[in-house]
Amino acid sequence: AQTVTQSQPEMSVQEAETVTLSCTYDTSENNYYLFWYKQPPSRQMILVIRQEAYKQQNATENRFSVNFQKAAKSFSLKISDSQLGDTAMYFCAFMKHRDDKIIFGKGTRLHILP
Amino acid sequence: GAVVSQHPSWVICKSGTSVKIECRSLDFQATTMFWYRQFPKQSLMLMATSNEGSKATYEQGVEKDKFLINHASLTLSTLTVTSAHPEDSSFYICSATSYSGNTIYFGEGSWLTVV
Repeated sequence: AQTVTQSQPEMSVQEAETVTLSCTYDTSENNYYLFWYKQPPSRQMILVIRQEAYKQQNATENRFSVNFQKAAKSFSLKISDSQLGDTAMYFCAFMKHRDDKIIFGKGTRLHILP
Repeated sequence: GAVVSQHPSWVICKSGTSVKIECRSLDFQATTMFWYRQFPKQSLMLMATSNEGSKATYEQGVEKDKFLINHASLTLSTLTVTSAHPEDSSFYICSATSYSGNTIYFGEGSWLTVV
C-alpha cells in the first residue's frame, strides 16, 4: 500500500519569504504521479503542482516549484515570495499510473504572516 | 468555473434520518468518481470508489450499508448517509477525472451536521 507522510503539521513564515514543505512517500510502483494541493478556508481543493514520476525535471508553476527525488521518495514544495493568500492547508498526494485514486498526506497548515 | 459540483453545500439532519449528497461532473463524463471524508483539521480520507453502472468499491473500515453510493449515470454519483448519527457529521468531498485533459477535479464539498 502507498503512504504519504508530511512531517510538518504547521508552519509560519513572513510574507515575501521562501518556505519549503516536506513530503515523503512509500510505494513499490515505478509509474505514478505526485501532487501538491492547497485547501484554503473555503475547503475547495486547488491543485498547486503536479509531477509525473517518469519525468526527471522538477515541475514549476510560477512561484511554486518542487524538488522531486525519486530514489529518496521525496517530493518537497517550495513557495517563493510567499503571499498572504498562500495561507492554507497543503496536502501532498500520490496517485498510481492508470488509477484515479489519490492518497493524501496528513497536511501542513501554512500561515503567511504580514 | 467549477466542473464538479456537489449539492448540497450544507445540510443539517436529525439523528436516524438519511441524507443524500450529489456529485455531478458538469461538462465531462466520469466513469469513476471518488468520495472522501474530512474531519476538522485532518486530511481527506478516501471512503469509496464510485463506478458507473456497477457497485462501489469501499475502503477498509467504511461501512457499506451506512454510506450508500450510487453512480447511475456518467455525470452523477450520490452518497447517501443512512440512519445518520452525530459522529457522521463531517465534510464530504468528491472527485472525478476528465480524461480529455487528464485532470482530476474536486467538488466544493458538503458539510453534514447530524443533530
